[in-house]
Amino acid sequence: DQQVKQNSPSLSVQEGRISILNCDYTNSMFDYFLWYKKYPAEGPTFLISISSIKDKNEDGRFTVFLNKSAKHLSLHIVPSQPGDSAVYFCAASDTGNTPLVFGKGTRLSVIA
Amino acid sequence: DAGVIQSPRHEVTEMGQEVTLRCKPISGHNSLFWYRQTMMRGLELLIYFNNNVPIDDSGMPEDRFSAKMPNASFSTLKIQPSEPRDSAVYFCASSPTANTEAFFGQGTRLTVV
Repeated sequence: DQQVKQNSPSLSVQEGRISILNCDYTNSMFDYFLWYKKYPAEGPTFLISISSIKDKNEDGRFTVFLNKSAKHLSLHIVPSQPGDSAVYFCAASDTGNTPLVFGKGTRLSVIA
Repeated sequence: DAGVIQSPRHEVTEMGQEVTLRCKPISGHNSLFWYRQTMMRGLELLIYFNNNVPIDDSGMPEDRFSAKMPNASFSTLKIQPSEPRDSAVYFCASSPTANTEAFFGQGTRLTVV
């Protein structure tokens, strides 16, 4: 059973508009959440994270929101740029020193 | 630091052959992970090490897969014998501790024909 779910395999957004990528999790022990970005032929790279004591974390154009009661987090990219086109992975971990659990990813295409 | 280094970047091999993937983690990182990326399963964890010791290999698909970490700066993932369904991109990653931000290598694209 997948503990981290990204239910949208793909998303297309126009340049300049907002991109919203969603992620749901089932394990209530998760307390640290990350987003990774992956370009073709490269490894995933860390983008932004949030701990369970917060409900929002912002870094430039990227904002992650966490709704613990709904076990849901989202990544907002505003404004979206063509260079943001990539696969985005949501990941989660707990305090038990166990590895990150990844979702299947969402492919974002930003159209100029 | 150059980051996590994987070799080879691409490997094409015939079914039944042995394949060895290599990884050099970031110096000072205590945890090392092997992931496999496929369309169906996304990024799945195969095995991870803490301080060179294998902790959880429950993600290793079959006995054909094995991984070693003889020292803090080197790890291998071996498939013997390889099968076409093993074709995927294999990533190595390292992190200071298992549950913190992981740094990924560029991956090895394996094709078994």
